[in-house]
Amino acid sequence: DAGVIQSTRHEVTEMGQEVTLRCKPISGHDYLFWYRQTMMRGLELLIYFNNNVPIDDSGMPEDRFSAKMPNASFSTLKIQPSEPRDSAVYFCASADSSYNEQFFGPGTRLTVL
Amino acid sequence: QKEVEQNSGPLSVPEGAIASLNCTYSDRGSQSFFWYRQYSGKSPELIMSIYSNGDKEDGRFTAQLNKASKYVSLLIRDSQPSDSATYLCAVNIPRGSTLGRLYFGRGTQLTVWP
Repeated sequence: DAGVIQSTRHEVTEMGQEVTLRCKPISGHDYLFWYRQTMMRGLELLIYFNNNVPIDDSGMPEDRFSAKMPNASFSTLKIQPSEPRDSAVYFCASADSSYNEQFFGPGTRLTVL
Repeated sequence: QKEVEQNSGPLSVPEGAIASLNCTYSDRGSQSFFWYRQYSGKSPELIMSIYSNGDKEDGRFTAQLNKASKYVSLLIRDSQPSDSATYLCAVNIPRGSTLGRLYFGRGTQLTVWP
């Protein structure tokens, strides 16, 4: 079975540009989570969805960040405009509510110059 | 107050020894507990889950949960150099009828030297 897919492993952009990160959850999973990991702050939850509906976005740092889940097999996290302090590894994870276990994608390392 | 705290480490043990990783949490409503392993440059990988008080064993790994003390631990027996990684403790707090979110500790870096 395919795991969580984050097809972009490295993304480099310049300050002020728009960045869109993409994720495909494991088929059949009804929860999707976006995390950010830095050395300073560790692993932080940004937002999570249940059945494509955002449940908790309290971790989204500011209005520059937005996330969507238009269908059960795709989600995006957008940063507009990007800033150097957004540089981090962004992970997507999915879970099946029956088992309550989250599985992580490989992550996208974002560098904002 | 942080929801999940781990012994900060780093922890260094010789090959063949028992590595003990500890985690405390603050919310008595927590119901599910997980240990993730993260190799450098990789994503967190689930290695153990535990839901009720007591011990749960899986190969060389044993998770221990004490809800009264709000404490969960991971023991790695016969530690191998390949166990060298950062270990993240995670606690789930349900939210109404939904699964809720995981709260992660900052992780404990383990090094197993040959």
